[in-house]
Order: sequence, then C-alpha cells, then structure tokens
Amino acid sequence: RKEVEQDPGPFNVPEGATVAFNCTYSNSASQSFFWYRQDCRKEPKLLMSVYSSGNEDGRFTAQLNRASQYISLLIRDSKLSDSATYLCVVRADRGSTLGRLYFGRGTQLTVWP
Amino acid sequence: GAGVSQSPRYKVAKRGQDVALRCDPISGHVSLFWYQQALGQGPEFLTYFQNEAQLDKSGLPSDRFFAERPEGSVSTLKIQRTQQEDSAVYLCASSSDRYSNQPQHFGDGTRLSIL
Repeated sequence: RKEVEQDPGPFNVPEGATVAFNCTYSNSASQSFFWYRQDCRKEPKLLMSVYSSGNEDGRFTAQLNRASQYISLLIRDSKLSDSATYLCVVRADRGSTLGRLYFGRGTQLTVWP
Repeated sequence: GAGVSQSPRYKVAKRGQDVALRCDPISGHVSLFWYQQALGQGPEFLTYFQNEAQLDKSGLPSDRFFAERPEGSVSTLKIQRTQQEDSAVYLCASSSDRYSNQPQHFGDGTRLSIL
C-alpha cells in the first residue's frame, strides 16, 4: 500500500468552477502535509502547507483531518492558469526517514474557458 | 542562478550504457534529495544526503544506482547498465536542513529515456 493515495482524475472544469481534491495517508505518525503543483514537464512546486486547523491562501483552501488521515484541497473560482497536476505530499518527521517526502500520484486538473 | 540546477535536461541512452546525472543545489543547502518520477506517477524517494554524508539510500531500486556528493555541494546520480525500466524523470531537491520545516526546492529534472 502506498503511503499517500490520491485520485488521479482527470478533473475537467469550466472557468469559475469550484473543485476539490482529496487524498489519504497511511502513516498516522506523519506530522507535515503539503500540496504541490506540477505543470507539464516541469518540477513540482510547493503550493501550500496544510495545517491542522485548516488554512487558506487566496482561492485555495487546505484541510487536514488527522482522525481520518485525510487531506483536501479546494480551489474556488478556477482560472485557466490553475490547469496542472496537484500532488498531495506527506513529510516524514522522525527517524531515519526524517525529511523524506511521500507523494501521491497526483490529480490532473484542466480548466477550460 | 538561485535555484536547483540539474543537467542534462534530457538524456537518451541505449540499454546497458552507464549514465550520470548532475544536481547543483541551492548554495548553502545542507540537505539534498533524489527522487524518481515515472510517467503518470508522483515522485518516489531514492536517496538523501546531509552535506557529503549519504544518510539514507533505502529508495535506490538496485545496486546499479549509485549517488555521491563528495564535497557536500554538487551531487551525481549514476546508473550503471541501464534498463528500460530506468526511464523516468530524475528530480533533485535541496533544503536548508531536514530538521526544519523549510520546503524542498526542486530542480527541473533530467528526463532519462532508455532505448
């Protein structure tokens, strides 16, 4: 079983739509969580960290449910430029694997005009 | 430049050849990670360096894979006797240190194709 499970999509939505992505992680001891964005043939880039209380950055809202080991990303008012693959990421925070990032396979989003 | 630099950007090799991929991390970054990203998948951890010490190589898929960072800065990932299943994008990431919550910064990657 992979450390991070994520629905690969694809999600195809019109401009202005609200779209949500979810993922689950298997290691209950995990402490740090992130969403990365990856454009086609580009490197992953940090979109936002995910905090226990939930956090918002403009049109993006991230939520964490530790009891269910579930992470979500909500994008409101989608823009064409939001088209990308969104990677759910968990960071190992202890032991020999400290610092290692575990990635989901990514969810592909296409926003159409 | 200020970011992580990887070279070559693309590499095509015949099965059985050896290849070497280079990573130039952000200056002063102690931690350096290598990841492998197969088509349609998320990146998978290969190995980790803290300065020149390779502290974790548990993700290397076989003994054909070897990485080094002799002076604690530039790192090289070497793959010997390449196989078709080695075809992937190889990503290098660096961060100030693994004990902090500083994010990992990724290079553009090397796209390796084995014919």
